[in-house]
Amino acid sequence: AQKITQTQPGMFVQEKEAVTLDCTYDTSDPSYGLFWYKQPSSGEMIFLIYQGSYDQQNATEGRYSLNFQKARKSANLVISASQLGDSAMYFCAMRDRMDSSYKLIFGSGTRLLVRP
Amino acid sequence: NAGVTQTPKFQVLKTGQSMTLQCAQDMNHEYMSWYRQDPGMGLRLIHYSVGAGITDQGEVPNGYNVSRSTTEDFPLRLLSAAPSQTSVYFCASSSPGSSTQETQYFGPGTRLLVL
Repeated sequence: AQKITQTQPGMFVQEKEAVTLDCTYDTSDPSYGLFWYKQPSSGEMIFLIYQGSYDQQNATEGRYSLNFQKARKSANLVISASQLGDSAMYFCAMRDRMDSSYKLIFGSGTRLLVRP
Repeated sequence: NAGVTQTPKFQVLKTGQSMTLQCAQDMNHEYMSWYRQDPGMGLRLIHYSVGAGITDQGEVPNGYNVSRSTTEDFPLRLLSAAPSQTSVYFCASSSPGSSTQETQYFGPGTRLLVL
């Protein structure tokens, strides 16, 4: 069965420093997509970054990059130069491309607090 | 584009009442879905639709109905509200099929409290 594990319930980072949020996944399917979403205190789910299982290069979107290690089944999110506005919950999610429901499987999330 | 919109933002119901959560998108996405988020957890799929007239159940469908009469709208109906349905409900849409377009975009959420 598919599963996403985020082992860090909460993390602190100093403003302007980089931080890595861990995500490991479990799937037996060869084709899948990995996503990171940000949920600020206002509650909306904001898409950050996507990585396909067959993508050769790690995805990057501005200050966000995804450290994809397929053999280790990990998809860690790296936020460079943290800002106070990065304080939020962060969810890792996976979608199996062979699943006709297009269902996203979510982890339990990591709460990030950026200190000034 | 407004993206994905949801109404209401907040609702209080009594046990046994029914209501409809509204969801609309203006991106011409074929795929739409409903998730619920409970405290300390990620989102779980309730129902989904791959196009107008086509719906199916997700992980936690009991107590909910959906219909999809147009591409734009995907309402979620609570038939007889129970306290266990107290949650935050998110609607999402996407245009699956292309690796650059399969991202699911979420609405702002509806916070539901069932007393």
